[in-house]
Amino acid sequence: QKEVEQNSGPLSVPEGAIASLNCTYSDRGSQSFFWYRQYSGKSPELIMFIYSNGDKEDGRFTAQLNKASQYVSLLIRDSQPSDSATYLCAVNMYNNDMRFGAGTRLTVKP
Amino acid sequence: NAGVTQTPKFRILKIGQSMTLQCTQDMNHNYMYWYRQDPGMGLKLIYYSVGAGITDKGEVPNGYNVSRSTTEDFPLRLELAAPSQTSVYFCASSYSPDRDYEQYFGPGTRLTVT
Repeated sequence: QKEVEQNSGPLSVPEGAIASLNCTYSDRGSQSFFWYRQYSGKSPELIMFIYSNGDKEDGRFTAQLNKASQYVSLLIRDSQPSDSATYLCAVNMYNNDMRFGAGTRLTVKP
Repeated sequence: NAGVTQTPKFRILKIGQSMTLQCTQDMNHNYMYWYRQDPGMGLKLIYYSVGAGITDKGEVPNGYNVSRSTTEDFPLRLELAAPSQTSVYFCASSYSPDRDYEQYFGPGTRLTVT
């Protein structure tokens, strides 16, 4: 089992819809979880981080964490074409070793 | 602030050659990281450093070396380049590895080994 798994996509949603991105991780000791957005040919940029079970909201973005199920998700409400990018899930393991998923490519169609 | 800068932006190496990828940050961050990203894949941690003089291996350290003589600089050395090292290399820094501190990424170096 990979340490951090994501559906590779591509995920396509119409403009204004909710995009749902999912991530599972294997290490039960992991404490902090990150979502990065990466435009093609660019470096990753942090969208959200979460470390407590439940939901965390920031504008149109909501991160959800369920440690019992080892599952973290990112919801993007009112999706815009500018949200089209690859979204990387990252997990900070116990020894500062950050592990990334392969990413989910999202396309928002006007 | 320039943030995290990397040089060069692009490089083509022949098999067996060596090179150093440069990384500098001006945010006085303690933590610095080197990642590689293969096409269509996520990032894999090569090495990281928690401060000047301290470095540690990440997930894929073989074929690479690092040093951290100053807070600002964290060069990555490739010895005896191999085609498997063809990738995009990102350097990142953060104030702390703790959950509240984000990693700031440089623009990347695209390396091809032929």
